[in-house]
Amino acid sequence: EIVLTQSPGTLSLSPGERATLSCRASQSVSSSYLAWYQQKPGQAPRLLIYGASSRATGIPDRFSGSGSGTDFTLTISRLEPEDFAVYYCQQYGSSPVTFGQGTKVEIK
Amino acid sequence: QVQLVQSGAEVKKPGASVKVSCKASGYTFTSYDINWVRQATGQGLEWMGWMNPNSGNTGYAQKFQGRVTMTRNTSISTAYMELSSLRSEDTAVYYCARGDLVVANDYWGQGTLVTVSS
Repeated sequence: EIVLTQSPGTLSLSPGERATLSCRASQSVSSSYLAWYQQKPGQAPRLLIYGASSRATGIPDRFSGSGSGTDFTLTISRLEPEDFAVYYCQQYGSSPVTFGQGTKVEIK
Repeated sequence: QVQLVQSGAEVKKPGASVKVSCKASGYTFTSYDINWVRQATGQGLEWMGWMNPNSGNTGYAQKFQGRVTMTRNTSISTAYMELSSLRSEDTAVYYCARGDLVVANDYWGQGTLVTVSS
């Protein structure tokens, strides 16, 4: 099973600042089958990034994903008020599918 | 527009079973897998397994092997997840999500709260 470790656990930032979230895999993620999701309280997760770097439909270009192998990054270039949420990475190329434990982006 | 609409909240006693439905619309039901993911209150996301609605093939996380069954009714574009021998630790919100290797899990149901309590 591929274990995904996200860091930091919590990121305290102000609107307008840049957010950099990390996701490290215990072994190489097959064909960059790495996704990022945003989840707000009481809502289902929303797909932001798939294939490590492709934005999902309707996702603003302030969200970007990068990385390959075992190290992946989600960057939010300038935080908007609606971006404060929990973010999860997921690898979906190997069974079982696994998620990271999440990074909470909170308002400083 | 693509929608996945799940059945309503359930309260079950320990040892019972629960069956959650997920009705798909806005796309060809048999063209994408359905994944099931659960989330206990205040916790992270936990993948339970997948089903191919076209073939009926399934794959389950080892943790749930023997307790979970994923099925479908293609005539009504609905997927089902049944979890048996419920215990208090199974109390969670259960989500269905459309998925494939191209776009991961791009659409999600609204979630179904399953509460296991005596």
